[in-house]
Amino acid sequence: NAGVTQTPKFQVLKTGQSMTLQCAQDMNHNSMYWYRQDPGMGLRLIYYSASEGTTDKGEVPNGYNVSRLNKREFSLRLESAAPSQTSVYFCASSEDDRYEQYFGPGTRLTVT
Amino acid sequence: GIQVEQSPPDLILQEGANSTLRCNFSDSVNNLQWFHQNPWGQLINLFYIPSGTKQNGRLSATTVATERYSLLYISSSQTTDSGVYFCAVLNDYNQGGKLIFGQGTELSVKP
Repeated sequence: NAGVTQTPKFQVLKTGQSMTLQCAQDMNHNSMYWYRQDPGMGLRLIYYSASEGTTDKGEVPNGYNVSRLNKREFSLRLESAAPSQTSVYFCASSEDDRYEQYFGPGTRLTVT
Repeated sequence: GIQVEQSPPDLILQEGANSTLRCNFSDSVNNLQWFHQNPWGQLINLFYIPSGTKQNGRLSATTVATERYSLLYISSSQTTDSGVYFCAVLNDYNQGGKLIFGQGTELSVKP
């Protein structure tokens, strides 16, 4: 039981490049989330998915797109990366009844 | 929206000391979680505690939902307790489990 996994662990992009961050969970959770963490800002929700086939915007969705590929996988895409998107990105998942969230190890992204 | 405030923002302890971290929230909550972010950046679940008291080894937590606060107690602190402690709340199930995080308390335990 790996919990929540994320790839890659580290990534450096140039401004304007695109990339997709991958997240998968093996806990059979319906809900999945993408957060970003910036120094002094805590964690802020980018997008979430309450079930397969549905996605909703969080607090800071601009510049991102998401895909809930199936129940296990939830990806985050940066179409045209900007330096302001330099951050640590966390994926999380939760069951519906408690919404206790479990986090992946994070992806450290630098945009130059 | 709901506001989550943690105090103190920073805390330095000598190994073996006890500490109390506080989380205040501005509205009623359905869920409350405490996390520890270790120096390697991992977010570790400590407690799921929308109300009541729980204990896990040297750590315990109490949430008084009617008074809108939660406390995390660390006893006999160890250097491995260093890191940032986050409180996060959910106050609306209709928003699909969206957690609102506090800014964290950064704890440094010196040997």
